Amino acid sequence: NAGVTQTPKFRILKIGQSMTLQCTQDMNHNYMYWYRQDPGMGLKLIYYSVGAGITDKGEVPNGYNVSRSTTEDFPLRLELAAPSQTSVYFCASSYGAKGSGANVLTFGAGSRLTVL
Amino acid sequence: KNEVEQSPQNLTAQEGEFITINCSYSVGISALHWLQQHPGGGIVSLFMLSSGKKKHGRLIATINIQEKHSSLHITASHPRDSAVYICAGRDSGGSNYKLTFGKGTLLTVNP
Repeated sequence: NAGVTQTPKFRILKIGQSMTLQCTQDMNHNYMYWYRQDPGMGLKLIYYSVGAGITDKGEVPNGYNVSRSTTEDFPLRLELAAPSQTSVYFCASSYGAKGSGANVLTFGAGSRLTVL
Repeated sequence: KNEVEQSPQNLTAQEGEFITINCSYSVGISALHWLQQHPGGGIVSLFMLSSGKKKHGRLIATINIQEKHSSLHITASHPRDSAVYICAGRDSGGSNYKLTFGKGTLLTVNP
């Protein structure tokens, strides 16, 4: 019963480096999301996907890219890391019937990223 | 742009007390999620509700659609309830994948 699995849990990057945060869910959820959480702020949506092959931008997409080639996987790529991308990243998934919107979310454990 | 406001920001209680956390939201939100985030960061969904009331153990969530207000109650609070509680509103209409998050309420329950 893995739920949503995120890796890595911690990572330190230098400015300009790139990396991919991995996210896998085993619940056959159609919706998947990437959020970032900054101190004192609410979670902000980076990208989301309503199904395999479909992705779209959230509120704060700049500096990130995603893909959704399978139902299970939704990796988040950081290109040219910047200090402003220092944050805690959460992947989440949910099941949403067409037209009814997303239901209860299952979150990954989070990935703490520091860019120096 | 949808908005979600939580109060209080911080709450300290003694073990056994009844706790209420409030969430107000703007027009354009069709459902409310309540989430719990423990120190160490993991986030767990507690409830999603669009009307009425839901109960799970010592946790009760209510929503008043007319007043655009939701409350999370914890009965017989315990130190293990210490966490950040977050409410999030689900957009209505075509953006119903999207949640707008409050900043959270830090609850500390002392023994």
